[in-house]
Amino acid sequence: GQQVMQIPQYQHVQEGEDFTTYCNSSTTLSNIQWYKQRPGGHPVFLIQLVKSGEVKKQKRLTFQFGEAKKNSSLHITATQTTDVGTYFCATDSWGKLQFGAGTQVVVTP
Amino acid sequence: NAGVTQTPKFQVLKTGQSMTLQCAQDMNHEYMSWYRQDPGMGLRLIHYSVGAGITDQGEVPNGYNVSRSTTEDFPLRLLSAAPSQTSVYFCASSYSRAYGYTFGSGTRLTVV
Repeated sequence: GQQVMQIPQYQHVQEGEDFTTYCNSSTTLSNIQWYKQRPGGHPVFLIQLVKSGEVKKQKRLTFQFGEAKKNSSLHITATQTTDVGTYFCATDSWGKLQFGAGTQVVVTP
Repeated sequence: NAGVTQTPKFQVLKTGQSMTLQCAQDMNHEYMSWYRQDPGMGLRLIHYSVGAGITDQGEVPNGYNVSRSTTEDFPLRLLSAAPSQTSVYFCASSYSRAYGYTFGSGTRLTVV
């Protein structure tokens, strides 16, 4: 099945800095979804991208789907302590939602 | 709407025991899935369903059974619990492929 690889596994960020996490696949993806999981919590859906080159923004978060639909990125500007958690990308193949390993984000005040 | 409800929240089993993890949603979602989450392993798909009466295996189905007799419910059965099944289990549902998934709050299972 489709596999998505995420890098980095771990990101230590100073409050106020920007960072980016990446999601890559060896095959063309029909869609990419992003989720956030706070420590001790459950995954929460953030966004879905389906079009080649698509860019969507949610306040300080910018999501991008690559032109070849094989990669995606999540960029967070001016990181805040509320951004702490693990960010997962996932792809849905007709009800079969498969996740990358996630990027764990730690924010230092 | 209650969303996705998982019960129990915590469970301790002895090796060899069986049990059912319950998952119910009140959003009329067709898609439902079960995941396990282990440290450093992300979320791994156990079984999924695209509608009542339809189920399929995910990445790690061995030792688990599911059924989907109604749109609302998608129980996960552990047939004979093993310590390797110690994990946090999440149930999720979605209206369709074009929408994101709503997750339950999880069941933390320990097998001793």
